Amino acid sequence: DTGVSQNPRHKITKRGQNVTFRCDPISEHNRLYWYRQTLGQGPEFLTYFQNEAQLEKSRLLSDRFSAERPKGSFSTLEIQRTEQGDSAMYLCASSLGLAGVPLFFGEGSRLTVL
Amino acid sequence: RKEVEQDPGPFNVPEGATVAFNCTYSNSASQSFFWYRQDCRKEPKLLMSVYSSGNEDGRFTAQLNRASQYISLLIRDSKLSDSATYLCVVNYPGTYKYIFGTGTRLKVLA
Repeated sequence: DTGVSQNPRHKITKRGQNVTFRCDPISEHNRLYWYRQTLGQGPEFLTYFQNEAQLEKSRLLSDRFSAERPKGSFSTLEIQRTEQGDSAMYLCASSLGLAGVPLFFGEGSRLTVL
Repeated sequence: RKEVEQDPGPFNVPEGATVAFNCTYSNSASQSFFWYRQDCRKEPKLLMSVYSSGNEDGRFTAQLNRASQYISLLIRDSKLSDSATYLCVVNYPGTYKYIFGTGTRLKVLA
């Protein structure tokens, strides 16, 4: 399977714990995106990378959130001191480094904070 | 005003009907437009890109109206399997950031 891969698919954690999600993009894609989606809403932009450079971060990405893409391949999204409001689906997408190209999504990582 | 706005629906239509959704965007400098389909608890999947000249893929037609700043999606001969949420996506000008609408829910009824 050469699509976008995310893991874990599901994570249940207690409030205050740290969690980390991993995303492996489509191999030839140099842009990688993180979105968050809650029930009844569209995906909300969090951040994106071009190769290893993080080019933009949303104001939604508080200082408890950090994303990395150290070698320009896979990416991690870490949430520290989780809160119940962090419960959501975290979606990763990748795209070619061209203008006007669509995003291709992974299956998402569903976080539940108890 | 939201950057990308969609009527959340639901649109309940009988099988075989034609249904259309609109999506308005706030920034006139946006250049890239897409429609995605999302099934319940699944990831969004690309349905079609929207070109200035409009484009068609089988029963689906997408159009762009730059003057009024909206894109549309027309589905002809609706099938039960078309039941899903349809997400409108617009790029943020000057960046490669993509903004999603909240989605329009479609239910095709037998």
